[in-house]
Order: sequence, then structure tokens, then C-alpha cells
Amino acid sequence: GDSVTQMEGPVTLSEEAFLTINCTYTATGYPSLFWYVQYPGEGLQLLLKATKADDKGSNKGFEATYRKETTSFHLEKGSVQVSDSAVYFCALTPRLGAGNMLTFGGGTRLMVKP
Amino acid sequence: DTEVTQTPKHLVMGMTNKKSLKCEQHMGHRAMYWYKQKAKKPPELMFVYSYEKLSINESVPSRFSPECPNSSLLNLHLHALQPEDSALYLCASSQDPPGLTARGQFFGPGTRLTVL
Repeated sequence: GDSVTQMEGPVTLSEEAFLTINCTYTATGYPSLFWYVQYPGEGLQLLLKATKADDKGSNKGFEATYRKETTSFHLEKGSVQVSDSAVYFCALTPRLGAGNMLTFGGGTRLMVKP
Repeated sequence: DTEVTQTPKHLVMGMTNKKSLKCEQHMGHRAMYWYKQKAKKPPELMFVYSYEKLSINESVPSRFSPECPNSSLLNLHLHALQPEDSALYLCASSQDPPGLTARGQFFGPGTRLTVL
């Protein structure tokens, strides 16, 4: 079956540092890929998405590129802020057959210190 | 309106109580979902409704009973819960069918449930 693997956290960075959170996936066909963010005490927010190979999703300074050759969708941000502290989930939706069903990675907690 | 709302935000109940969680969306989505999320874990799918009909039940115990009164509302009725059912319960919605481009699911803020 489909699966998503994320780097173990927590990731602890100083403010203005560069962020990379690794995400790789296993799926048949051509899935759509998503990053969700969950701030403390809140639900999940869709951060960005990409629906085909070489697409780059971007939002709020975050970006991720759909790399089919490496089955990866790594999340990056050039300069993190304290307010980016949250849990980040990588997820996929199969292109065919399962509607919008999501398969989540385990989540990566990001802590940004002033 | 791109929001999914959930009530209540917090709920404390005893093991003999009956309570309900409510979810509402006005995005015209025809698929709605209930998830359970434990601390430091990703959400676990419980139920999926498609066009107001239950399409997926992920072997959830019968003490959880979902209901979809109309295309905008989703309820989760709770009865005789156990302390291990304490968790964050998330509702989500999405287009169904997804069309040519998957747009993902939109989540509500969740209900934090504590079972004593």
C-alpha cells in the first residue's frame, strides 16, 4: 500500500535558519502530494500541494518540489521564524481510485528558538 | 467561505455519558471525514461520508456513531466511551469526486475530548 516517511523530529532551529524537512513516499501511479501544518492546540492547515512531477508548491515562504525520480517532496524555508514552530505532516492522495483519501507521514515537530 | 467549524472546542465526559460532536462546512464539499488524533501522532481516519452516505468505516467501535443529516453537517455521537478514547477529534471535508486535480482535505480546529 501507499506510505509516507518523514524525518524524525524534533527539529530545533534558531530564528532565521534554513529549514529542510525530508519526505519520501511509496505509491503506485502519480499521487498528489501535500504538506499540512498543525500549530499547538489547533487542527491541520493545508500549507502547500503539488499534483504532478516537477511541480513546486509554495506558500508563506515554504516550498516543496515534487520529485518523481527520487519519490520525494521535501519541505524548505529559507528563514524560519518563531511563529513557524508547529508539527508538519507530509501526505499523499492517490491519483486514481481513492478520491481524496490521505495517507499521512508520522509528522515532524519544528521548534524555532529566538 | 473556506472554513470547517467544529463544536464544542473542548468536551469532558464520563464513561456513562452520551454526547455529540458537530462539524459544519459551507464549501459545497460532498465528502466529509472524522479523524481521531492522539498526541504526537498523525490523524487516524475513522469514517468517510460521500454524498451523505457512509462510505468508509475503519472498524471503529460502535460506541462511536456518525451521522450526516445533510451535505453541510456531520455529527459524531458518543456513548459509553473509555478513557483511551480521549483524543483530538478532527473533522475534514473535500470535493468528491476530486476531479482532475486533487485539492486535498480541509480540516476543522478539532474537539479536544477527555473521558474520565
